[in-house]
Amino acid sequence: DVKVTQSSRYLVKRTGEKVFLECVQDMDHENMFWYRQDPGLGLRLIYFSYDVKMKEKGDIPEGYSVSREKKERFSLILESASTNQTSMYLCASRVPTTEAFFGQGTRLTVV
Amino acid sequence: SQQGEEDPQALSIQEGENATMNCSYKTSINNLQWYRQNSGRGLVHLILIRSNEREKHSGRLRVTLDTSKKSSSLLITASRAADTASYFCATDGSNYQLIWGAGTKLIIKP
Repeated sequence: DVKVTQSSRYLVKRTGEKVFLECVQDMDHENMFWYRQDPGLGLRLIYFSYDVKMKEKGDIPEGYSVSREKKERFSLILESASTNQTSMYLCASRVPTTEAFFGQGTRLTVV
Repeated sequence: SQQGEEDPQALSIQEGENATMNCSYKTSINNLQWYRQNSGRGLVHLILIRSNEREKHSGRLRVTLDTSKKSSSLLITASRAADTASYFCATDGSNYQLIWGAGTKLIIKP
């Protein structure tokens, strides 16, 4: 059974903290994605990676960075968490032109 | 990027009825995909239809694609309470990204 695993389902962090969200996939997929999902705004792409050490900015990269040192792992970093980054974060992976597989989501609250 | 628009934004029907959701998009595509999201969870892929296909079935799901109108529809027949979820379309274009619609929230009343 294919799997995308996000390190946490729920996370509470303080303003100004550096936050790491980890995502691991076991399908040897080239492409990995980080989205945030807010009510009424749908899925918005933060960053994606099409290969190891390769990354591209999505629609809302400000305040975020990513790391992909190994093919199976794609990390999202909030350099200095702010309350407007409270959201649901979704990681996905896929082979180009095929379906995407999603993790279970991380609901991050920044207080 | 959000290029898809889904219609309706919300739909509430009785169990056993059919549910139809529509998706419109703007650019050329390789394929169009439909996903389901249960409350507070990740998305699950339902069906993929390629640009040279017009209709596809999977169990109680029927998807149509009209590339001349840049639109797709998802029909769920004989709905069940477990179908209550949000449904998203996503288009797969010429780059690595999927472009997402805003979603339709479906509620099945018992």
